[in-house]
Amino acid sequence: DAKTTQPPSMDCAEGRAANLPCNHSTISGNEYVYWYRQIHSQGPQYIIHGLKNNETNEMASLIITEDRKSSTLILPHATLRDTAVYYCIVRVFGTQGGSEKLVFGKGTKLTVNP
Amino acid sequence: EAQVTQNPRYLITVTGKKLTVTCSQNMNHEYMSWYRQDPGLGLRQIYYSMNVEVTDKGDVPEGYKVSRKEKRNFPLILESPSPNQTSLYFCASSSLNSPLHFGNGTRLTVT
Repeated sequence: DAKTTQPPSMDCAEGRAANLPCNHSTISGNEYVYWYRQIHSQGPQYIIHGLKNNETNEMASLIITEDRKSSTLILPHATLRDTAVYYCIVRVFGTQGGSEKLVFGKGTKLTVNP
Repeated sequence: EAQVTQNPRYLITVTGKKLTVTCSQNMNHEYMSWYRQDPGLGLRQIYYSMNVEVTDKGDVPEGYKVSRKEKRNFPLILESPSPNQTSLYFCASSSLNSPLHFGNGTRLTVT
């Protein structure tokens, strides 16, 4: 499975957009990019995923570069409740015949400041 | 409500005393997995299961066992716990067309 690289920490002002980068230069053609976040010691929460097109849902937007070697998670209007560790992982979507051996990096600690 | 349920939430035990952490999901997911989380190391996969009776090692399987006799349950067994297994444990499930759903965690302390 492809591994990911994220900055260890980032800060963002409340109400501004938070842009969290992720490098996944060894991603293969059938691997999706997933983003999760973990608030304090709760179970990680799914945010969004995508293959090659940009994606948007009620929580965030995901921008994937054309060569798919990196992506950016965008929280358009960060709030204090968005303070969390954000994880980027790659996973084969629909792994029938494959494996679910997933590798989480150390993530990015996002702090949203008032 | 769709959920992954782990029990117990907190557990303190002594070295060598066998324990089981249960995990159950109500979403009919094929895939289930266990992770441990330690400060500075992030989430590391212990074991995963592709379906009933199909399990495989993750990155840190030593000292753990799992079983998948039923689709909804995936217990984590520590036959002889040691202090280095003190950690926060998460169970997760998913299917072909869904992302991982995580449980709320089990904080284990082995003294």
